[in-house]
Amino acid sequence: GAGVSQSPSNKVTEKGKDVELRCDPISGHTALYWYRQSLGQGLEFLIYFQGNSAPDKSGLPSDRFSAERTGGSVSTLTIQRTQQEDSAVYLCASSLAGPGAQPQHFGDGTRLSIL
Amino acid sequence: DQQVKQNSPSLSVQEGRISILNCDYTNSMFDYFLWYKKYPAEGPTFLISISSIKDKNEDGRFTVFLNKSAKHLSLHIVPSQPGDSAVYFCAASGGWGAQKLVFGQGTRLTINP
Repeated sequence: GAGVSQSPSNKVTEKGKDVELRCDPISGHTALYWYRQSLGQGLEFLIYFQGNSAPDKSGLPSDRFSAERTGGSVSTLTIQRTQQEDSAVYLCASSLAGPGAQPQHFGDGTRLSIL
Repeated sequence: DQQVKQNSPSLSVQEGRISILNCDYTNSMFDYFLWYKKYPAEGPTFLISISSIKDKNEDGRFTVFLNKSAKHLSLHIVPSQPGDSAVYFCAASGGWGAQKLVFGQGTRLTINP
């Protein structure tokens, strides 16, 4: 079956521009996560959506970052007024809600480069 | 404050032998642990997981061991194959951030023919 789909796969933009990154989770997965991996770093949690609950935004690095999830499926991560330190691979993952802990399945990411 | 640590950035193993990747954690609230494999330009691929109520989980060539008292887990791959060459990440979740994963820095495994 189809896995997690992210678009675009690559994005190059100028400093100060806004960018939108899209994630289509695996069908039937109610939990959706965003992570990022900066050069030479591990994966860093950004935000988590579960059903209709309020999202866990505790990992967002600044108020320039926001995300939404429409209709419990597709999610968009928006970065406003991009800075060079935002350059990273942005990864989306989805999982079943339970019972118990469930593994997260990742997309191939969007490689974002800020010039 | 790195809560999940993979102290070996790289590991080289001969084809057919056992590969052992190690991971340490500091947060005693973690109760679910996973291993992911990552190829360049691809997202992490889930390999195997273990709950804190177990000390071992096996799936084919992959076995994960959990030592809660030492806050240590390891991934054993046997026999190692050339296609196993990749970066391996361990991850943990639990406690207050029950759903988010905390990742180690990764270990690059190279299988030599």
